[in-house]
Amino acid sequence: EPEVTQTPSHQVTQMGQEVILRCVPISNHLYFYWYRQILGQKVEFLVSFYNNEISEKSEIFDDQFSVERPDGSNFTLKIRSTKLEDSAMYFCASYDRASTGELFFGEGSRLTVL
Amino acid sequence: GENVEQHPSTLSVQEGDSAVIKCTYSDSASNYFPWYKQELGKGPQLIIDIRSNVGEKKDQRIAVTLNKTAKHFSLHITETQPEDSAVYFCAASEGSYIPTFGRGTSLIVHP
Repeated sequence: EPEVTQTPSHQVTQMGQEVILRCVPISNHLYFYWYRQILGQKVEFLVSFYNNEISEKSEIFDDQFSVERPDGSNFTLKIRSTKLEDSAMYFCASYDRASTGELFFGEGSRLTVL
Repeated sequence: GENVEQHPSTLSVQEGDSAVIKCTYSDSASNYFPWYKQELGKGPQLIIDIRSNVGEKKDQRIAVTLNKTAKHFSLHITETQPEDSAVYFCAASEGSYIPTFGRGTSLIVHP
């Protein structure tokens, strides 16, 4: 069964450092998303990406965040200068609008900022 | 924007009992309501969804009901089994993308 894969599964970084989280969406999907889940809190939408550009973003997705699809398969989330409050589980998801509407999530990347 | 509230945050049941998780939403334009199950160490996976043109949908031991007037929807799991133990998220959206998620319910099924 096709799946969304994410790397790394866990990253520990120092405050102020740059972090890149990687995702390989399902190959025939065209819509890609990043969500985050702070421990014990809601799954929150960060950004959606379609046709090589951001289609929507939340207020959480400020100038410290960026996304790109550098090579047609990977979909990356970059946090330029991490803050303590960026510590969370980050989920990538992809979606095939032609199908049922199901979002397919990866297993998540846990980011710990010290 | 949409706001989804989910209750309870934790639900503990005995194997074989039923479990009910309830959600409310705020945006009357929402018309798609998926439920996701998140097992330990994995990402959320869709288990059932319902669209606003139906009031109930069932798939084996799980069912979802929707009351559009009251803006609430519920997940029902009958004959619970230990492997049902997981975190369950409800969500709501207009159309079928960028859903807003509830806070999650940790379901524990005791053998």
